[in-house]
Amino acid sequence: QVQLQESGPGLVKPSGTLSLTCGVSGVSITSSNLWSWVRQPPGEGLEWIGEVYQSGTTNDNPSLKSRVTMSVDKSKNQFSLKLSSVTAADTAVYYCVTRRSGHYFLDYWGQGTLVTVSS
Amino acid sequence: DIQMTQSPSSLSASVGDRVTITCRASQSVNTYLNWYQQKPGKAPNLLIYTISTLQSGVPSRFSGSGSGTDFTLTISSLQPEDFATYYCQQTYNFPYTFGQGTKVEIK
Repeated sequence: QVQLQESGPGLVKPSGTLSLTCGVSGVSITSSNLWSWVRQPPGEGLEWIGEVYQSGTTNDNPSLKSRVTMSVDKSKNQFSLKLSSVTAADTAVYYCVTRRSGHYFLDYWGQGTLVTVSS
Repeated sequence: DIQMTQSPSSLSASVGDRVTITCRASQSVNTYLNWYQQKPGKAPNLLIYTISTLQSGVPSRFSGSGSGTDFTLTISSLQPEDFATYYCQQTYNFPYTFGQGTKVEIK
């Protein structure tokens, strides 16, 4: 059974960098899955941030204006998200999610972690 | 970006009611249309993918239909555990986009 678990600081200062890690169990990070991030501001809808493949190839959302860096750590079976130059608008629950290559739906989700941007 | 528009944004219904939620894409998304259910404080849960395929474990009272730009999620007989927010999502083009959500509340 695939399980994902987000971890990282719950509070980030404005203009700083948000850094989250997603620990993966039940499947190898080097499998054919794609590793994704989705966020949800409090009381609002879902926004797809992007995805990273085991090779390091990424697809991300242009709305985030190149502030996003995603990577895979094969030695720890985890993947990461960094979002730079954060503002209050980046306050959200961040979910790590996965989909299998060739399957265009998000079938395994982490429980989510709230990140608040505030001084 | 492909814009996904759901209607209604919210609805009130009773247990046993038939519920229909629509999702319209700003351009064709082929068959790359998925539906998720989200309960308060929980991660979204995949219900239906590629328009009409039920995810494993999803009750048969849920169904999906449509084509091109217009899609529908139907709950044939609403159950107490179905009160939640539902989102459609297109995965035809990057960036993947979601509808704004439809909240199904108890009448």
